[in-house]
Amino acid sequence: KAGVTQTPRYLIKTRGQQVTLSCSPISGHRSVSWYQQTPGQGLQFLFEYFSETQRNKGNFPGRFSGRQFSNSRSEMNVSTLELGDSALYLCASSSGHGGDTEAFFGQGTRLTVV
Amino acid sequence: GQNIDQPTEMTATEGAIVQINCTYQTSGFNGLFWYQQHAGEAPTFLSYNVLDGLEEKGRFSSFLSRSKGYSYLLLKELQMKDSASYLCAVRRTAGNKLTFGGGTRVLVKP
Repeated sequence: KAGVTQTPRYLIKTRGQQVTLSCSPISGHRSVSWYQQTPGQGLQFLFEYFSETQRNKGNFPGRFSGRQFSNSRSEMNVSTLELGDSALYLCASSSGHGGDTEAFFGQGTRLTVV
Repeated sequence: GQNIDQPTEMTATEGAIVQINCTYQTSGFNGLFWYQQHAGEAPTFLSYNVLDGLEEKGRFSSFLSRSKGYSYLLLKELQMKDSASYLCAVRRTAGNKLTFGGGTRVLVKP
């Protein structure tokens, strides 16, 4: 069974640009959550999608957005990039919604904003 | 509040036992997870506690006290490969949103 796939693995962008990251969950999983990981703030929740609907949202500005497609693949978009957006963006795939549902993480996309 | 506190770093010797504590605000608790993350890799699931008590999985055990807002992860018979960061995460609502602590870096020495 393939794991969670995130593309691209590495990305360098310039301030002011926008970026789209992709996450393909484990086959059969319907929940995708996105997290930002930085040395200073640790892992912070961005949003969760389940069956194409956003179910939870973290405390990030509106420049951060996401969506989920009918095949459960998800994308997140960051517009008007700032230097502080440099981070590892992790996607987590879960089979259900809550309970003892375990989250499986992808390898992440390392975004550098210059 | 969202504060989840765990020590920043711990050092232990190969073959020994290490206990990593995690404290959290008790309001709206709906489950606690422990993850292991090696440098440059994705976090991997270790354990889940929602009821009080001890969950044992091989060399790893996790304990929860909901009334005290307290959990610990116990790593026994430490191996060099256990050198990693250990992340405590709390779920407060329905769904899969997790709030993570800052992580505890464990260094295992020969």
